[in-house]
Amino acid sequence: NAGVTQTPKFQVLKTGQSMTLQCAQDMNHNSMYWYRQDPGMGLRLIYYSASEGTTDKGEVPNGYNVSRLNKREFSLRLESAAPSQTSVYFCASSDPYPMTGGGYTFGSGTRLTVV
Amino acid sequence: QKEVEQNSGPLSVPEGAIASLNCTYSDRGSQSFFWYRQYSGKSPELIMFIYSNGDKEDGRFTAQLNKASQYVSLLIRDSQPSDSATYLCAVNRATDSWGKLQFGAGTQVVVTP
Repeated sequence: NAGVTQTPKFQVLKTGQSMTLQCAQDMNHNSMYWYRQDPGMGLRLIYYSASEGTTDKGEVPNGYNVSRLNKREFSLRLESAAPSQTSVYFCASSDPYPMTGGGYTFGSGTRLTVV
Repeated sequence: QKEVEQNSGPLSVPEGAIASLNCTYSDRGSQSFFWYRQYSGKSPELIMFIYSNGDKEDGRFTAQLNKASQYVSLLIRDSQPSDSATYLCAVNRATDSWGKLQFGAGTQVVVTP
């Protein structure tokens, strides 16, 4: 099925460990995004990639790095996990053409707990 | 002041009634506006988008945009228990590149039978 695939769905890390969240889309979208969602805070943008080969910081980039591997894949890396990074992470992609909406298609999310 | 503000709720709505959700935004030059529905433990899914002032209808959903007053609303007619979810408002600000969205924290809607 067409869409956005995120892995893993759940992860528990110890403080200081590293991990990479994977995201792939098969809708030929140019733009991809990583958000985190915390209770009462809504979705906050971590990093985004407007097109293959480009990445930019969002609202809360500290402690994260990203790689736009190709048009399909956009990964998020936590180099040294901290308890403050406990959250639900969503990857999303969007159609670049305004007249077709431009709204996001989200992946199913990764629930990350840092202990 | 938050960029995109929504009442957190919960908004309790009797089955069959109209649910009215509001969202205000701070960037007067914002260009496009989106409503997402998010069931508990699931990812957000797009319900509607609106660009122009006025109303836009899609089935039981109506989005209303008033750029002068900087608000966008969502009406859900004939509310059903399956409409119980959190509704997220999102805005593409004028200062952001196309596609980059600012989200509100969401309004929880509970439809009671």
